[in-house]
Amino acid sequence: GAVVSQHPSWVICKSGTSVKIECRSLDFQATTMFWYRQFPKQSLMLMATSNEGSKATYEQGVEKDKFLINHASLTLSTLTVTSAHPEDSSFYICSASDPGRSPGTQYFGPGTRLLVL
Amino acid sequence: EDQVTQSPEALRLQEGESSSLNCSYTVSGLRGLFWYRQDPGKGPEFLFTLYSAGEEKEKERLKATLTKKESFLHITAPKPEDSATYLCAVQPYLYSSASKIIFGSGTRLSIRP
Repeated sequence: GAVVSQHPSWVICKSGTSVKIECRSLDFQATTMFWYRQFPKQSLMLMATSNEGSKATYEQGVEKDKFLINHASLTLSTLTVTSAHPEDSSFYICSASDPGRSPGTQYFGPGTRLLVL
Repeated sequence: EDQVTQSPEALRLQEGESSSLNCSYTVSGLRGLFWYRQDPGKGPEFLFTLYSAGEEKEKERLKATLTKKESFLHITAPKPEDSATYLCAVQPYLYSSASKIIFGSGTRLSIRP
C-alpha cells in the first residue's frame, strides 16, 4: 500500500522548452503532496508543498514562476518546469502523505530525471 | 533551529557484521521521526515512523529505536542487498502532520560479500 507513481521517469529536452512531471497517489487520497529536488550525492531539497485545491507553498529561493505546481485532485499533482535551462537538470521526486495511515509519513515516488540540453 | 544530523556519513561492513546508524535531532518538540532507504537513481523507500521516546520498530534485519535526542537504525547480519543510503527525517511538533519534514544528509551503507 501507499504507492506513489511519477511520469515520466526520465526526460531530455532542449533549453527553453517546458516540461511537465506528474505525480499520482495510486491507492490513497493525498490532500498534501511535496516536490523535492536532489543533486548527486546530496540529500533531498524541498521545493514546495502542494495542497489540493489551493496554491502551493514554495520554499525560500525557489522561483514559483519557473516551477509551476498544480494539485487539481486528491490523487494528482503536477510540476511544470517552464523555460528549462541546463541548470535545471536534476532528479525531481514527489511525495504524498496519507494522514489516515501514518500521520506525517511521506511516501515517495520513483523520481524523474530531467536533462536539459 | 531545527536540525537533523546523521552519522557516520559512510559505513562499510562485511556481510554478517552488525552495526548501527545514528540520527541526532534538535527540534522544538517532536511530532514524528522517519527512516527511509534510498537506492541510487530511485526515490526514498519508507521504512519506519517513530512517534515517542522508547518506541521501537522492526522489519527483517532492521530495527529502529528512538530516544528524546536521537534515533538508531540497527542492522543485524546485513547482506549485500542492504547496501543503500539511509535517510532520517523529523517533523517538529509545531508543524501540522501534513507539513514538511526535515531530512538529514544520510548514511551511505555498503555491505561487502
